[in-house]
Amino acid sequence: AQSVAQPEDQVNVAEGNPLTVKCTYSVSGNPYLFWYVQYPNRGLQFLLKYITGDNLVKGSYGFEAEFNKSQTSFHLKKPSALVSDSALYFCAVRDPELIFGQGTELSVKP
Amino acid sequence: EAGVTQSPTHLIKTRGQQATLRCSPISGHTSVYWYQQALGLGLQFLLWYDEGEERNRGNFPPRFSGRQFPNYSSELNVNALELEDSALYLCASSFLGQGASEAFFGQGTRLTVV
Repeated sequence: AQSVAQPEDQVNVAEGNPLTVKCTYSVSGNPYLFWYVQYPNRGLQFLLKYITGDNLVKGSYGFEAEFNKSQTSFHLKKPSALVSDSALYFCAVRDPELIFGQGTELSVKP
Repeated sequence: EAGVTQSPTHLIKTRGQQATLRCSPISGHTSVYWYQQALGLGLQFLLWYDEGEERNRGNFPPRFSGRQFPNYSSELNVNALELEDSALYLCASSFLGQGASEAFFGQGTRLTVV
């Protein structure tokens, strides 16, 4: 079965600094990988996906993710964090339904 | 274009009762997924419907069931409610049940069992 793991429960970043939220995957074959964000008491919002091709994927709100096959990772990144980026972030893989990691709480302080 | 809509927003039930949650997918989407998000447990996959058929279910007891209607809307039924069923239930839809298409989520139904 396909799975993803998010090794950090929480990430703290100062506003204006770059941020990274980590995700590793375990799949057979080529993975379809996704990142979602969840604000308090809300549903999930799609940020970006990797299907094939360029290893650097650009998504919504200035986020991007780097697919690394040798390290089986799909880390979410943003060059300059905003306080409004504070939320819960989920990595997911298609299996064929979406299977989610446990989530990472991102806190961006002014 | 309307997104995925779920009703009701909040639902309070007594232990042992039944709960029915509803989901309307984005127009044109044939697949509907249900997830449970309990406090501290992340997103757990419940059920997947596509073209009116149940395609897969997660590791949940049979008292969690549902169906998909001809217009692709869906219902999730939870029978014999237990306190630990209290959670945010999220519905998502996608154009294709497999492959590269992302799923879009509704705002969820907060079920509280007392």
